[in-house]
Amino acid sequence: GENVEQHPSTLSVQEGDSAVIKCTYSDSASNYFPWYKQELGKRPQLIIDIRSNVGEKKDQRIAVTLNKTAKHFSLHITETQPEDSAVYFCAASETSGSRLTFGEGTQLTVNP
Amino acid sequence: EAQVTQNPRYLITVTGKKLTVTCSQNMNHEYMSWYRQDPGLGLRQIYYSMNVEVTDKGDVPEGYKVSRKEKRNFPLILESPSPNQTSLYFCASSLDRGSTDTQYFGPGTRLTVL
Repeated sequence: GENVEQHPSTLSVQEGDSAVIKCTYSDSASNYFPWYKQELGKRPQLIIDIRSNVGEKKDQRIAVTLNKTAKHFSLHITETQPEDSAVYFCAASETSGSRLTFGEGTQLTVNP
Repeated sequence: EAQVTQNPRYLITVTGKKLTVTCSQNMNHEYMSWYRQDPGLGLRQIYYSMNVEVTDKGDVPEGYKVSRKEKRNFPLILESPSPNQTSLYFCASSLDRGSTDTQYFGPGTRLTVL
C-alpha cells in the first residue's frame, strides 16, 4: 500500500518568513495530493490540493509543488502570520478514489 | 447547513463494552470514511465506503466494524474495545470522486478505553 512520509515534524518561523513542508510518497499510482490544516481542537480542513497532471498550484499565500518523478510534493506558505500556526497534514490518494493515506503531520508555529 | 456530525463527542468506557460512534452527513455524499488520529502517527484510515452497502478496509481495520445501510449514515462499531483503541476518531465524507475529492471532516470523537 501507499506510504507517505512528512518532514519536518515541527517547524518554527518568525512572522513574515516563509515555511516549507515536504512529503514523499511510495505508490506511483497515486494521483491526488491534498493538504489539510488542523487548528488546535478542531477538525482537519482542506487548504489546497494538486493532481498529478499539474506541477504547481497557488492560492494566495499558499502553493503546492509536485515532482512525480521523484515522488515528492511540498507545501509553501509565504508571509506567514500567527493564524497560520496549526498542524499541517499531507496526503496521497490512488486513482481509484478509495483510500487516502496521510503523512504524520507538521506542527507549524509562527512567532509574532 | 452542510455538515458532518458525530456522536458522542467524548466517551470514556471500559474494556470489552461494545460501543457505537455515529456519523451522519447531509450533503448527499457518496464516499464516507473513518480515521483515527494518534500523536506522531497522523490520520490513519480505518474503513471507507464508496456507496450504500459497499464498505472496505483501510489501513487499520482490526477491532472495528462499519455499516452503510443508508447514504447519510456510517456508524463505527467497536465490538470489544481495548485500551489501544483510545484515540481521536474522525468521520469524513466526500462527493463523487471518493478519496480524490475534498474530505469534509466531522468534529471528532475522543474515545478513552480503560
